[in-house]
Amino acid sequence: NAGVTQTPKFQVLKTGQSMTLQCAQDMNHNSMYWYRQDPGMGLRLIYYSASEGTTDKGEVPNGYNVSRLNKREFSLRLESAAPSQTSVYFCASSEAQRAGELFFGEGSRLTVL
Amino acid sequence: RKEVEQDPGPFNVPEGATVAFNCTYSNSASQSFFWYRQDCRKEPKLLMSVYSSGNEDGRFTAQLNRASQYISLLIRDSKLSDSATYLCVPTSGGSYIPTFGRGTSLIVHP
Repeated sequence: NAGVTQTPKFQVLKTGQSMTLQCAQDMNHNSMYWYRQDPGMGLRLIYYSASEGTTDKGEVPNGYNVSRLNKREFSLRLESAAPSQTSVYFCASSEAQRAGELFFGEGSRLTVL
Repeated sequence: RKEVEQDPGPFNVPEGATVAFNCTYSNSASQSFFWYRQDCRKEPKLLMSVYSSGNEDGRFTAQLNRASQYISLLIRDSKLSDSATYLCVPTSGGSYIPTFGRGTSLIVHP
């Protein structure tokens, strides 16, 4: 009953450090997404992957890279973290034909000092 | 005009009250609509899907007004456990990006 699993749940970084957020889903979904959520800003899409082997930019892609490693896994990388990237990051997945029905991971809380 | 607009609230209501809030959308091609609830410091979870004019699930009713481009969520007999933020997500067919509204905060008090 895992659904969408994100790691790590919490992370503190110094400015300039790099890190990768991992996401895996066990529902055989084609589509996967990375969102960030900041107070008063709602959920903003960073990148998404409509299917294995494809990735596309969302609303706020600058400073991030992604990899759709296989159908199950979609990782988000911060190459050089900045304080503006302090946020809660959510990974989500959906079936291709029911794209509005998203299943979310529990979130990763990232602080960049 | 923003793609999705919601009144942030908070809507502060007593237990047992009926409360409704709206979500307006700008894309007239939107076909399907979704309401999510998000508890404090938790992930969003799907509450209701609306593929036609509306949907009802127990105490929750979603109504779609395509002419005015808004969707509403009505909660009857509010419970303390309904306290959360409610997020609206309109979608359109084909390749699209799920765009979330900022959400409406609901506080149900004793």
